[in-house]
Amino acid sequence: DTGVSQDPRHKITKRGQNVTFRCDPISEHNRLYWYRQTLGQGPEFLTYFQNEAQLEKSRLLSDRFSAERPKGSFSTLEIQRTEQGDSAMYLCASSLEGLGVEQFFGPGTRLTVL
Amino acid sequence: AQTVTQSQPEMSVQEAETVTLSCTYDTSESDYYLFWYKQPPSRQMILVIRQEAYKQQNATENRFSVNFQKAAKSFSLKISDSQLGDAAMYFCAYRRMWGSQGNLIFGKGTKLSVKP
Repeated sequence: DTGVSQDPRHKITKRGQNVTFRCDPISEHNRLYWYRQTLGQGPEFLTYFQNEAQLEKSRLLSDRFSAERPKGSFSTLEIQRTEQGDSAMYLCASSLEGLGVEQFFGPGTRLTVL
Repeated sequence: AQTVTQSQPEMSVQEAETVTLSCTYDTSESDYYLFWYKQPPSRQMILVIRQEAYKQQNATENRFSVNFQKAAKSFSLKISDSQLGDAAMYFCAYRRMWGSQGNLIFGKGTKLSVKP
């Protein structure tokens, strides 16, 4: 296992379309986080999972956003009816809570909404 | 709510010299973690160094060290013997120690340039 992976790396879509991103965490990491990073800003927390349970969602996560982590492995983040303001880098991170607090980040998915 | 502030949008350093990046934070909690993450251009974010708030000793990792001033809520990063590969965005981040919430709260970042 070489680290956190995300797919796709880049996504260009038209306003109003739905998009889905995938994150594969480091094996056996029980926590998985989604962040959003816009140009010139630090990452902002969106939501996180402990195993398959989604424990917290940020106010940034509107009802157009949904995330899942079936079976506590990979996770998907779906954005419905995309808006230009959704254009950002979406970062995934994982950690093994209980043995350390370091979060390992994936390369991100850059979303451009036209 | 906790906040993290990085007041230097950009910094520049000559290769082999030393540079210090500043970070201040606000929290009402006494136990927490602080981190510096590095994000190279088009590459993923990696952890540079971390500090537990209950530890008085400043963390060090090779050429990287921090100056943690808990009372002042200040957490600066010193990079010694700067190398070209140190050029990147540097983010200061805060994490609660207790409770279920484990997400990181980031500052806006400092872009570090290293001149040969």
